[in-house]
Order: sequence, then C-alpha cells, then structure tokens
Amino acid sequence: EVQLLESGGDLVQPGGSLRLSCAASGFTFSSYAMSWVRQAPGKGLEWVSAISDSAGSTYYADSVRGRFTISRDNSKNTLYVQMNSLRAEDTAVYYCAKVVGATLVLGGGATDYWGQGTLVTVSS
Amino acid sequence: QPVLTQSSSASASLGSSVKLTCTLSSGHNYYIIAWHQQQPGKAPRYLMKLEGSGSYNKGSGVPDRFSGSSSGADRYLTISNLQSDDEADYYCETWDSNTRVFGGGTKLTVL
Repeated sequence: EVQLLESGGDLVQPGGSLRLSCAASGFTFSSYAMSWVRQAPGKGLEWVSAISDSAGSTYYADSVRGRFTISRDNSKNTLYVQMNSLRAEDTAVYYCAKVVGATLVLGGGATDYWGQGTLVTVSS
Repeated sequence: QPVLTQSSSASASLGSSVKLTCTLSSGHNYYIIAWHQQQPGKAPRYLMKLEGSGSYNKGSGVPDRFSGSSSGADRYLTISNLQSDDEADYYCETWDSNTRVFGGGTKLTVL
C-alpha cells in the first residue's frame, strides 16, 4: 500500500524558514517523480514544485521560485521542500504527491497518490 | 501553459447522475487530464486519468459509478447513482514540460 506521510508543518513568522518532509513507503520511491501541492484555507489546489526520480530535474511555480527548494533522498525514501522567506500567502496545507512517471519530460503524468498533508501557518 | 476551467458548483439528487466538466484552454485540447476527489476535511484522492479520445483509467478502488469521457477541449467526470459521500470537491489536473496545473474545482452537493 502506497503511503506518503508529511511532517514539519508549523507556525512561522513572515520572513522565516521551514523544511517539510514526506516519508514514502509501499512503492519504489527512487523510480518516480514527486511533487508538492498546497491548499490555502478555503481555496483550491495549487501546484508548488516537482522533482524527477533522480533529482536531475526540478520545477517550481512562479509563486515560490527562488524561495522554495525541492529535494529528495532516495536512500531514505524521503521528499523535502525547504521554504525560505515565507509570506502570509504561503499559509496552506502542503501535500506530498506521487507522480505516475519517473521523469518530468512532458510533465511526468498524473498525480496518483496523495499524502494527508501538513499545515504551514505564516503569521506574526 | 494550459489552463483548466471548472464550474464552481454543481448539485444533483441522491441516486441520480451528474456530469462535471473541465475545459482545457485554447490550443491544449489534446491534453490528458486527471480527476481528483476531495471529501470535506480530507486529502485529495486520485480518481482517473482521462485522454482526449475519451479513454480513461481509474485508480485503485474507484467505484464503477465513476466514469470519464471527452469532447474537444472538454473533459467530463460522470458519477452515476449518486451517494451521500460523493458530496465533495472535484479537481481536474494536467501537466506540461515544466509545470502542473489544477482547475479551480467544482463543489458537488448531493441533495
């Protein structure tokens, strides 16, 4: 059974930093691209970032480029996102998501599994 | 990059059928999409991948009541024999070489 377990969400002040983690199990983590998707309170889903199976390719939404960094440790079956210069508008539940494909060529395919999410609140 | 447009809300009666629409932006009507369901207070759940031909592949455990179809730039999710726990937000998703995109979501109310 595929499981994705996010952690690291917290209350942080504007301008602060936070690192989220996602522990994966139930599939060969190193063979699939992964992504982060967020959902602000009462709003829809917003794609944040994606990374290929080998971490050779990474992509970001315009709203986070230059502030967020996605990474992965295939030896630990774990996905990360380092979030710097956080703003109030980054407040959201952050979901870890598995992509059908390995690479991000032509986008990598559908999101086929989701984690339960972790809440990040940016407020003074 | 592609843009996905969804109606903000829909409603249908218990036991009836409903057809939700996701429309791809101009020039992107051949794109494959995915449908996801998000029940209140829960994480999203993958329902199916849907091609421009109308061919679809459902995720594990998705009931037969859920089906997909396509026409031009429109991608449809049909739910038959509506149940109370089908009341949820439904999102479509697509992807391109360096981006992934979600529609704004449709809130389905089961009357």
